[in-house]
Amino acid sequence: GAVVSQHPSWVICKSGTSVKIECRSLDFQATTMFWYRQFPKQSLMLMATSNEGSKATYEQGVEKDKFLINHASLTLSTLTVTSAHPEDSSFYICSARGLEGSPLHFGNGTRLTVT
Amino acid sequence: GQNIDQPTEMTATEGAIVQINCTYQTSGFNGLFWYQQHAGEAPTFLSYNVLDGLEEKGRFSSFLSRSKGYSYLLLKELQMKDSASYLCAVSDSNYQLIWGAGTKLIIKP
Repeated sequence: GAVVSQHPSWVICKSGTSVKIECRSLDFQATTMFWYRQFPKQSLMLMATSNEGSKATYEQGVEKDKFLINHASLTLSTLTVTSAHPEDSSFYICSARGLEGSPLHFGNGTRLTVT
Repeated sequence: GQNIDQPTEMTATEGAIVQINCTYQTSGFNGLFWYQQHAGEAPTFLSYNVLDGLEEKGRFSSFLSRSKGYSYLLLKELQMKDSASYLCAVSDSNYQLIWGAGTKLIIKP
């Protein structure tokens, strides 16, 4: 089945630093990748949608200058949390899709803790 | 607006059967997905329905009625490891996924 690899699994960083999270589709070409955030005991919250080679589309309330998304190839998207603050601590999950209408396949998530 | 409704929480007994319902109102429809999410982990894909009827996959089955805007996920022979949240998601006319808030399923021995 389709495999999506997300790295790192967890990261602890100091306030004010930046963190990059990678999402790779290992055995299929992901035309679209999605980035979600999930706080404890809450639903998935879509942050942005990225299509290969074009700018990401951010959901309302998500700062594009703070959460930088790059989808440079059909198998790799990155999310950079810039100038991280403790309130950015959360579980970040990427997902990838091939053709429209096909299932999303999720990475294992990245647990970010900002101290 | 677009809306997905599913119960917040359900409790069932090990070995029993449970049905998790999902109703939706979306602008267009290109399929309905069920995902399982264990606490602290990312969701995993369970099933996809785009035509009316029942899709069976081992202990799990998913049903869809497009005219009623309704789906259910049926879990048989419940095991303790089935304790998780179950997420219903609908792909709308633009192939955007609209997510339900999830149903937390608690399995008791």
